[in-house]
Amino acid sequence: QSALTQPASVSGSPGQSITISCTGTSSDVGGYNYVSWYQQHPGKAPKLMIYDVSNRPSGVSNRFSGSKSVNTASLTISGLQAEDEADYYCNSYSSSSTPVFGGGTKLTVL
Amino acid sequence: EVQLVESGGGLVQPGGSLRLSCAASGFTFSRSWMSWVRQTPGKGLEWVANIEQDGSEEYYVDSVKGRFTISRDNAKNSLYLQMNSLRAEDTAVYYCAEGRVAHDYWGQGTLVTVSS
Repeated sequence: QSALTQPASVSGSPGQSITISCTGTSSDVGGYNYVSWYQQHPGKAPKLMIYDVSNRPSGVSNRFSGSKSVNTASLTISGLQAEDEADYYCNSYSSSSTPVFGGGTKLTVL
Repeated sequence: EVQLVESGGGLVQPGGSLRLSCAASGFTFSRSWMSWVRQTPGKGLEWVANIEQDGSEEYYVDSVKGRFTISRDNAKNSLYLQMNSLRAEDTAVYYCAEGRVAHDYWGQGTLVTVSS
């Protein structure tokens, strides 16, 4: 049940695109198409942004997209906006039948 | 409107016990896996436990196995987390969340503080 690896921080200017990576192993990210991404603003509960690697829940902007290659999943935010500044977490189903979260990435909009 | 409302958090001494509750509404609770996820103040999210729709399957993170028990009452649309032998490292905000891996709905969280 080791945590997935995310960069501690990323930054970008308004209008730019950024990508946050989430690296696991063949026992979690690489083995299943059950990767989710969450956005969390300070003092708030997390919000689901992407599920099953690349699907967006209803109401989530199409500026958010997800993908996966081998053992690394990625969240891309295009047309960066000030309100995108938040913490982002990935999680994945794993071979132990349990989910595991990444350590989180702080996104700063410059 | 979907609502998940946690309760039962508070201050407890090391070795003590607490029972968290989560009242669900606005969706078909009995058809959903349910989970508890915690967040240490200023730190990241950690999955704690989840339970299948009819309660027949339960899973736990290694650090709470044997100490925490997740349960549910579908007749009351409620989820529970019995926490025994609490340790300082269990101090966190505990969230109730719908789903097994992808959590579409979250509660507002309840703070558990383990300290003497």
